[in-house]
Amino acid sequence: GAVVSQHPSRVICKSGTSVKIECRSLDFQATTMFWYRQFPKQSLMLMATSNEGSKATYEQGVEKDKFLINHASLTLSTLTVTSAHPEDSSFYICSAEDSPTSYEQYFGPGTRLTVT
Amino acid sequence: DAKTTQPPSMDCAEGRAANLPCNHSTISGNEYVYWYRQIHSQGPQYIIHGLKNNETNEMASLIITEDRKSSTLILPHATLRDTAVYYCIVSGGGADGLTFGKGTHLIIQP
Repeated sequence: GAVVSQHPSRVICKSGTSVKIECRSLDFQATTMFWYRQFPKQSLMLMATSNEGSKATYEQGVEKDKFLINHASLTLSTLTVTSAHPEDSSFYICSAEDSPTSYEQYFGPGTRLTVT
Repeated sequence: DAKTTQPPSMDCAEGRAANLPCNHSTISGNEYVYWYRQIHSQGPQYIIHGLKNNETNEMASLIITEDRKSSTLILPHATLRDTAVYYCIVSGGGADGLTFGKGTHLIIQP
């Protein structure tokens, strides 16, 4: 089946620094990738939708200048958390679709971000 | 807001069938019912989806009522590894992000 990887799986950074998280589709080309975050004991919340070669579409309340998304190729999307603060500590999960008519999203294993 | 309602938690004995209900009374005609599950601290895993007809795959069966306002996910022979949070989601499919509700925490008891 289709596999999506994320790197790193865990990261600890200091407040004020930036962190980049990578999401890769390993055995398929992802026309669309999605970024979610999940706070402890809560459900996943969609942050943004990313299409290769175009600007990401952000959900209401998600700051596009703080969460920079780059989808430069059909197998890689990156999420950069800029000037991270402790309240950005969360579980960040990406997913990908292999075609615009796909009915299934393939999720990555997630990245645990802790900002100290 | 999520368009689905699920019980917050359920228990099931190992080896028995686990039946997880979901209400989606406002589902529109072109929306599918999807089920995903999330084992602690992992990414969600796709289980099954359907539009009108009942569906079955190697993991589970999906029973959708005729009026499409509710559905039931059936894990026929639950194992301890099926302990997870199960999310019922309605979506038009295609290039749409998914709206996750709170899901059902299914606990399989030995």
